Amino acid sequence: YVLTQPPSESVAPGKTATITCGGNNIGSESVHWYQHKPGRAPVLVLYYDTDRPSGIPQRFSGSNSGNTATLTISRVEAGDEADYYCQVWDTGSDHPVFGGGTKLTVL
Amino acid sequence: QITLKESGPTLVRPTQTLTLTCSFSGFSLSTSSVGVGWVRQPPGKALEWLALVFWDDRYRYRTSLRNRLTIKKDTSRNQVALTMTNMDPMDSATYYCTHLLWYGESYYFNSWGQGTLVTVSS
Repeated sequence: YVLTQPPSESVAPGKTATITCGGNNIGSESVHWYQHKPGRAPVLVLYYDTDRPSGIPQRFSGSNSGNTATLTISRVEAGDEADYYCQVWDTGSDHPVFGGGTKLTVL
Repeated sequence: QITLKESGPTLVRPTQTLTLTCSFSGFSLSTSSVGVGWVRQPPGKALEWLALVFWDDRYRYRTSLRNRLTIKKDTSRNQVALTMTNMDPMDSATYYCTHLLWYGESYYFNSWGQGTLVTVSS
């Protein structure tokens, strides 16, 4: 199973960032999203498409339908600049699959 | 609070064997629907899962590295060890220990250690 993410996205502060994750019928899968800043541990920002772990701002939201899952970051802040990865569980092979990551730049 | 900490050598010679240990707290690997895994990130590249071990003693290895990897758990000591044989400079990366949880129909990486940078060089 292959997950496809755009290598980069850019957004101005205060605007909305949209990061996509494409996969064959990904809408039938549970998609999880991670934020990874340089030199830091990755952080889970969304699980099961739309659920936020405690401590993750409501500005982070998600959707998943058809062949595309989306991570949306509203009112983007400079601190949101990071790499973002999507992940699913390949039930056929019983192992995780990561997308290639998207570098979000805050202009 | 879940914490994970990786330990092991920072420099490994080519062809040598790497052994990393993950010491964790805040959860037990004997609890249903829990796992511990290793994920790495080579410089400038994407996250890459390597090996996973679950509460029910199941193991999963990345297919391309299956012949070189061994993951072992010590539930009583709250530790998981990863062994990778025949190290190559291409294996230079930051290695992360992770805590996995099962939700719905999927495991996800709930918590991550800070990572340890391993360099393979002669």
